[in-house]
Amino acid sequence: QVQLVESGGGVVQPGRSLRLSCAASGFTFSNYGMHWVRQAPGKGLEWVALISYDGSNKWYADSVKGRFTISRDNSKNTLYLQMNSLRAEDTAVYYCTKDLGGGAIDYWGQGTLVTVSS
Amino acid sequence: QSVLTQPPSVSAAPGQRVTISCSGSSSNIGNNYGNSYVSWYQQLPGTAPKLLIYDNNKRPSGIPDRFSGSKSGTSATLGITGLQTGDEAVYYCGTWDSSLSAEVFGTGTKVTVL
Repeated sequence: QVQLVESGGGVVQPGRSLRLSCAASGFTFSNYGMHWVRQAPGKGLEWVALISYDGSNKWYADSVKGRFTISRDNSKNTLYLQMNSLRAEDTAVYYCTKDLGGGAIDYWGQGTLVTVSS
Repeated sequence: QSVLTQPPSVSAAPGQRVTISCSGSSSNIGNNYGNSYVSWYQQLPGTAPKLLIYDNNKRPSGIPDRFSGSKSGTSATLGITGLQTGDEAVYYCGTWDSSLSAEVFGTGTKVTVL
């Protein structure tokens, strides 16, 4: 079955960097686009970024553009999110998710919590 | 701020039916080209969201037919019939916005079973 396991979350000071990873299994990773979606404590879902199946195309939310970079290593079935210049408002659970196509997301990881605080 | 608007909450007694609206615009739900399909997600307390409906009205394997979706113009609707206590959750709509080149989600609707 499809599994998405995030890692790399934690507490980080404002302005610092953090890299999230997502290990994918149970499907042909290199055939699908992948998203990062986040959820601040007690708030709704916020889309962060999308990467195409081969990594050639990337899209970002305006709130993270220029600070976050999504990437993937299809040889390792792993998705990444490099987060630089972190702000307090980046505090959230970050979900690694699989794109179904047609704008839908069919699988979600369990999430990893990122807390930006001094 | 979310691009798609949903009511904050809906409630009904067990066995009853509820509907949740999702209002967008011509650049997302009402887009007649590309990825204008609407999806719906259920988020039970303390868990990750789960896909309920995709392509406006299709159910993934394992999702009961008590859940249904529809789209008309720039709005979409999720229907839940035969409401159960296990349906208490927050529900989100989502789609691709062609103007933003971004996935967008609704504001979320909390369903309460009375």
